[in-house]
Amino acid sequence: GAGVSQTPSNKVTEKGKYVELRCDPISGHTALYWYRQSLGQGPEFLIYFQGTGAADDSGLPNDRFFAVRPEGSVSTLKIQRTERGDSAVYLCASSPGPRETQYFGPGTRLLVL
Amino acid sequence: EDQVTQSPEALRLQEGESSSLNCSYTVSGLRGLFWYRQDPGKGPEFLFTLYSAGEEKEKERLKATLTKKESFLHITAPKPEDSATYLCAVQASVDYGQNFVFGPGTRLSVLP
Repeated sequence: GAGVSQTPSNKVTEKGKYVELRCDPISGHTALYWYRQSLGQGPEFLIYFQGTGAADDSGLPNDRFFAVRPEGSVSTLKIQRTERGDSAVYLCASSPGPRETQYFGPGTRLLVL
Repeated sequence: EDQVTQSPEALRLQEGESSSLNCSYTVSGLRGLFWYRQDPGKGPEFLFTLYSAGEEKEKERLKATLTKKESFLHITAPKPEDSATYLCAVQASVDYGQNFVFGPGTRLSVLP
């Protein structure tokens, strides 16, 4: 498909477990963003990649959260020692370059029990 | 700190009843203001980008306008399929911040 894809679409885990969420951006898009959206709220910025490097990780809430984009395409958001408060929809977006319109994926719904 | 507020929080319209949604923002130099539509269980879908005060964009029954402090999304003769949450976001012009700052959204319901 031509859009941003995210896997899994849903993830249920237990408190304390480790999870990985994957994002496949639109082909050719150099910029990739992760956001988190809680129920009834707008998306909240987590991290931005330009190419392979994390250009801005100021939105990551703490050091349990980490993201990589080793080849400048697919990105993985990693959450260690999950907590119930991490439950949310994690959205990925990509754009052709920095400071351009961002196109969002369908999100991964994470539930921490 | 960049901030975005949206009003009303929720809006219920009858089919054909036109209205407007408001997005007010405070940002250290606006590079762009973006409108998205989000259906339940899905990611935000891009609608419009506005860059400068006075600019207007239209798409079907939607029209977005921008002033120096706020943006409006006008919905003319809405249909039930326009029911969704409408999000606005701003991007600052400073070099460091590439991310969007989103408002909480307006939940629109259009009744047949």
